[in-house]
Amino acid sequence: KQEVTQIPAALSVPEGENLVLNCSFTDSAIYNLQWFRQDPGKGLTSLLLIQSSQREQTSGRLNASLDKSSGRSTLYIAASQPGDSATYLCAVLPGANSKLTFGKGITLSVRP
Amino acid sequence: KAGVTQTPRYLIKTRGQQVTLSCSPISGHRSVSWYQQTPGQGLQFLFEYFSETQRNKGNFPGRFSGRQFSNSRSEMNVSTLELGDSALYLCASSRAPGSRGENGYTFGSGTRLTVV
Repeated sequence: KQEVTQIPAALSVPEGENLVLNCSFTDSAIYNLQWFRQDPGKGLTSLLLIQSSQREQTSGRLNASLDKSSGRSTLYIAASQPGDSATYLCAVLPGANSKLTFGKGITLSVRP
Repeated sequence: KAGVTQTPRYLIKTRGQQVTLSCSPISGHRSVSWYQQTPGQGLQFLFEYFSETQRNKGNFPGRFSGRQFSNSRSEMNVSTLELGDSALYLCASSRAPGSRGENGYTFGSGTRLTVV
């Protein structure tokens, strides 16, 4: 059974800092991995999708990497801003016909 | 293009009542999945529908049910509500199981259900 872990559960950093959010999964046989952002009380916004054949994806100040062999993904946020404060969730799709398995998320607070 | 639309946004119900939530996927998306999100359990998969057929089901009691219509819109129903059913219910749409690798999932804003 696939399990997804995100540690730590919360993180507080000063504005301008570059930071890395970690995600680990137990079964390396995945179809893809998706990073989401969730603002309090809101739905999920997709940030980046990495297919199993890819090593990384970039969008603006965000870069996500995938290492299937070690069961890890990282989300790199450059030059963090207070507007980046949110919960970041990592989700793994084990197979094309499977369901997404989510981590519990990392709540990020960027201090002005 | 319109995103995933969930209605209503907020709902307050009494224990023992039943509730129906609605989800309209992105145009062209034929797969709809439902998730329950609570502070303690995080996001838990409820079920997935594709072409009006349930394809996957999570570990929830039979009080939780769903269906999908020919226009891909989906509803989920919870009967005999319990206090523990209070949660944010999220719906996600995707094109089809076979193309999920390229496009991933798009989530709606959710329905906040409070059971009192």
